[in-house]
Amino acid sequence: GAVVSQHPSRVICKSGTSVKIECRSLDFQATTMFWYRQFPKQSLMLMATSNEGSKATYEQGVEKDKFLINHASLTLSTLTVTSAHPEDSSFYICSAINLPGTSDTDTQYFGPGTRLTVL
Amino acid sequence: AQKVTQAQTEISVVEKEDVTLDCVYETRDTTYYLFWYKQPPSGELVFLIRRNSFDEQNEISGRYSWNFQKSTSSFNFTITASQVVDSAVYFCALEADSNYQLIWGAGTKLIIKP
Repeated sequence: GAVVSQHPSRVICKSGTSVKIECRSLDFQATTMFWYRQFPKQSLMLMATSNEGSKATYEQGVEKDKFLINHASLTLSTLTVTSAHPEDSSFYICSAINLPGTSDTDTQYFGPGTRLTVL
Repeated sequence: AQKVTQAQTEISVVEKEDVTLDCVYETRDTTYYLFWYKQPPSGELVFLIRRNSFDEQNEISGRYSWNFQKSTSSFNFTITASQVVDSAVYFCALEADSNYQLIWGAGTKLIIKP
């Protein structure tokens, strides 16, 4: 149980293009998902909290117009990196938590990550 | 302020040795959760354990065990009879607000040599 998928696992794109990353909770519903960015040999940096049916909450310093988040259903959140540039190259990871009231609501389950390389 | 400290940046041991990964946390909240995650070279974060602040019982799961001590604000993780497959980066994390956000430690890279 508590499986989260992420697609694609790896993407290489040209500078200026937009890239969409999908995060799905496969066997549970998630009103809340999180998007992280991880640089090599560093810890996870929270980018935003994605809430089903409402706007995402972005962390300080994260450009909401550059990193568009849509949480259209209880099992899917998407992160779109718009007009990507080489400095956006990173490992992006999503996580999801179970619905409020469930026994593991406070546990984040992670997707396998997406490695983005912008040329 | 809330903070998680994993002072050990990297640990290297020979297979079959026992190894303990340290985690010290800071929070003023009385209700909080502590977590350990494993990140193998593939990158995926694997959930290992969640501990409620009101439950100080130690836990054992196979070769893994966790020692939670509120008196020292520590939540240490021990691997017994380590194996090469245990090689990974291990993260300790704290959740103390109702928004489910995690405060992450810097991670400890564990290298198990054959």
